[in-house]
Amino acid sequence: DQQVKQNSPSLSVQEGRISILNCDYTNSMFDYFLWYKKYPAEGPTFLISISSIKDKNEDGRFTVFLNKSAKHLSLHIVPSQPGDSAVYFCAAPASGSARQLTFGSGTQLTVLP
Amino acid sequence: ETGVTQTPRHLVMGMTNKKSLKCEQHLGHNAMYWYKQSAKKPLELMFVYSLEERVENNSVPSRFSPECPNSSHLFLHLHTLQPEDSALYLCASSQAGGFTDIQYFGAGTRLSVL
Repeated sequence: DQQVKQNSPSLSVQEGRISILNCDYTNSMFDYFLWYKKYPAEGPTFLISISSIKDKNEDGRFTVFLNKSAKHLSLHIVPSQPGDSAVYFCAAPASGSARQLTFGSGTQLTVLP
Repeated sequence: ETGVTQTPRHLVMGMTNKKSLKCEQHLGHNAMYWYKQSAKKPLELMFVYSLEERVENNSVPSRFSPECPNSSHLFLHLHTLQPEDSALYLCASSQAGGFTDIQYFGAGTRLSVL
């Protein structure tokens, strides 16, 4: 039973427009969320995170929004660039001393020039 | 040196072979992880080592055997694999007990079992 879900397997956006990637979760105990980006033939790389005490975190072109009541988070990329084309995963850690990450299934973002 | 290095990058093996995947982290972390990524599936956590002790084994078949000789190195020993074990195997490391839960990944080993 997936605790972190990304229901859109793919998204295409025109260069310069906004990309919005969505993620839903079921475990209300999650207190921290992360987004990773993955290019083909590479491992996932950390992109941005948000603590559950916040509802927004911004880093340059990337902003993550958290709606705890809806158990929903989203990643906004603006403006989108062709180099942003990758698979994006959201993740959340379980409790414990080595907090294991539960990942969504990913969304393939394609930014069209 | 990149933060997390995995070797080999590609591996083809028969079902009766024995091989090992290697992971090395240069980040001073104290936790290491093995993940499996099959096509169109979420990353599946296989094993977690924290302070060189295994803290998680997510019902992984015994044909996969991890080894963590020190905090910088992690191995995954493979024997008598099945074709459905073909996947991308990713290693990651993190600082367990730290404020954030950021895991840093290697580039992965693409495994094909014939």
